[in-house]
This record gives sequence, structure tokens and C-alpha cells, in this order.
Amino acid sequence: DIQMTQSPSSLSASVGDRVTITCRASQSISSYLNWYQQKPGKAPKLLIYAASSLQSGVPSRFSGSGSGTDFTLTISSLQPEDFATYYCQQSYSTPVTFGQGTRLEIK
Amino acid sequence: QVQLQQWGAGLLKPSETLSLTCAVYGGSFSGYYWSWIRQPPGKGLEWIGEINHSGSTNYNPSLKSRVTISVDTSKNQFSLKLSSVTAADTAVYYCARTYRVVVTAQDWFDPWGQGTLVTVSS
Repeated sequence: DIQMTQSPSSLSASVGDRVTITCRASQSISSYLNWYQQKPGKAPKLLIYAASSLQSGVPSRFSGSGSGTDFTLTISSLQPEDFATYYCQQSYSTPVTFGQGTRLEIK
Repeated sequence: QVQLQQWGAGLLKPSETLSLTCAVYGGSFSGYYWSWIRQPPGKGLEWIGEINHSGSTNYNPSLKSRVTISVDTSKNQFSLKLSSVTAADTAVYYCARTYRVVVTAQDWFDPWGQGTLVTVSS
């Protein structure tokens, strides 16, 4: 299985900050990388697919980049509703696997 | 807009079989794969498996021996059975659409069901 490692595991930031979360794959996955946001008690929500494509309805302050083994999710200016846990997921090979999550907390 | 609604028993004893069903409303059922994903309390996400409208399945090898995913196209529903459950199977179980782009083979999960907490305890 491809291992997905996110860093940091948790992050404290303030409204208006620019935040970057990193996801690293244990082998090259080209651009087969998706990002999800999960709030407590809710199902994950797709933010970014194919490494850099913004899902319809997702605010443009979210962006994704990367290819191969290293990927980033960037939030350009944090809003109060962005405090949540973020997961990356590879779809390069079966079984698809997720990162362990990055919890974004209010400073 | 596609919506997924899921249901099933929330409390099981060890060795019993977990059974969940997910209904798809508001969109095409036949053009997609449909997945089950689980999340133990306070932990990350694990893909269980998927099925399409014709009954073709793919399973996570780590669970394959205990998992059966089936489909009822007449009701736009798909179901999960997980046999011989233990406390390690305690988790929130989600159903989701696997959105797959044939040309690029890219796929992702969207949308998701609301989740069902399944607790295994004697």
C-alpha cells in the first residue's frame, strides 16, 4: 500500500493567516492526489482533486499543488469556517489510502 | 444534486455481522462506482471497497476476507456487510460516490453520506 504522510499533524493559526499543509507519498503518484476537509461530527468534503483542481463551490482561497511524491494544500487567508481537519488521499493505486490528517486550530 | 443517505445497526456484539445500506438520490446511479469508507473514533480514514451498478467490486485487501458489498439497482442502493466483527471494527462508516474520470483514471470521493457510528461491544 502507498503510505501518505501529512505534516504537520496539528497547526495553530489565526484568521487571515496563510497556511500550508504538506502531504508526502511513499512512492510517486503523479497527480493522483485529493484533499478533503472534515469538521467534527461531519463527513469529509472534497476540496481539491487531481492535485490542483478546485472542486465546484469551494472558495478560491483553497489551492493545491504538487506532483510525484510531494503535495501542498494552501489556504491563502484563513476564515473562521476553515478550522477543521484536512486529509490527503491518493488514488494512484488500490487500495486508495489517506493521510493521517492535519488538525487546524484557532490560535 | 446527488445525495446519499445511509442506515444500519449501530451496536453489535463481537463475531456478529455488520450490515449497512446506502441509498442514492437525485442523480445517475449506473455511471459510477460506490464506495464504503470507515473512520475509527479519533482516527483517520480507511477505504473498505467499492461496487458499480453491474456488481463489479474492488475491496481493500486488508478487509477482503470479511467484506461483501452488494448493489440493488432497482432501488439505487448499495450495501456493506462485514463479518466476524471485533472491537477494532468500531468506527463511523461512510458511503460515498467514487467519481472516476475514465480518460485520466483520476478518481475521488464526492459526495459522502452522513455517516453511521457502529460500535462493537460485548
